[in-house]
Amino acid sequence: AQTVTQSQPEMSVQEAETVTLSCTYDTSESDYYLFWYKQPPSRQMILVIRQEAYKQQNATENRFSVNFQKAAKSFSLKISDSQLGDAAMYFCAYRRSQGGSEKLVFGKGTKLTVNP
Amino acid sequence: DTGVSQNPRHKITKRGQNVTFRCDPISEHNRLYWYRQTLGQGPEFLTYFQNEAQLEKSRLLSDRFSAERPKGSFSTLEIQRTEQGDSAMYLCASRPGMDYGYTFGSGTRLTVV
Repeated sequence: AQTVTQSQPEMSVQEAETVTLSCTYDTSESDYYLFWYKQPPSRQMILVIRQEAYKQQNATENRFSVNFQKAAKSFSLKISDSQLGDAAMYFCAYRRSQGGSEKLVFGKGTKLTVNP
Repeated sequence: DTGVSQNPRHKITKRGQNVTFRCDPISEHNRLYWYRQTLGQGPEFLTYFQNEAQLEKSRLLSDRFSAERPKGSFSTLEIQRTEQGDSAMYLCASRPGMDYGYTFGSGTRLTVV
């Protein structure tokens, strides 16, 4: 079964600084999708960034970028120029791409605090 | 269309009672998912619909849980004979068939007392 591990229960960063959140996963599949979701205190999950495993280029969305290391099964999220509004729980998630289960498998999350 | 809508936002019920939650997905999204999230954990998959067909169910979905999507639009999740362990946030998500991006609702928080 696929598993997703987020080894940092909590992280903090100073406003305007850069922070990296870690995620590792375990799968025997070769093609899959990876996601980072943000869950603010209002509880609605918001997609931050996504990556297709077949793409070697790391995904980037404005201040958010990933470091996707397929061989190492690592998918870290870098937040640049951190803002107070970035404070939230961040979840890494996996989904296989071809056939079979449609489910997203989530890690336990990392709580990010942004200090002014 | 303002996104995935879930009702109620909060539900407090006594142990042993039945509860039903509703999810209205984004109208053009044919795929709908239910997840359960307990405190301090990531969401766990419960079930998935493509149109009106329930195509996948987790082992977490015991026989006290049932979900429907009768016309391929809104969905309901019913929990019978609630237990304290059912206390959680129940999240609904939807996506269109040609895109793998999911949109989540704000969830229904269930408290069983």
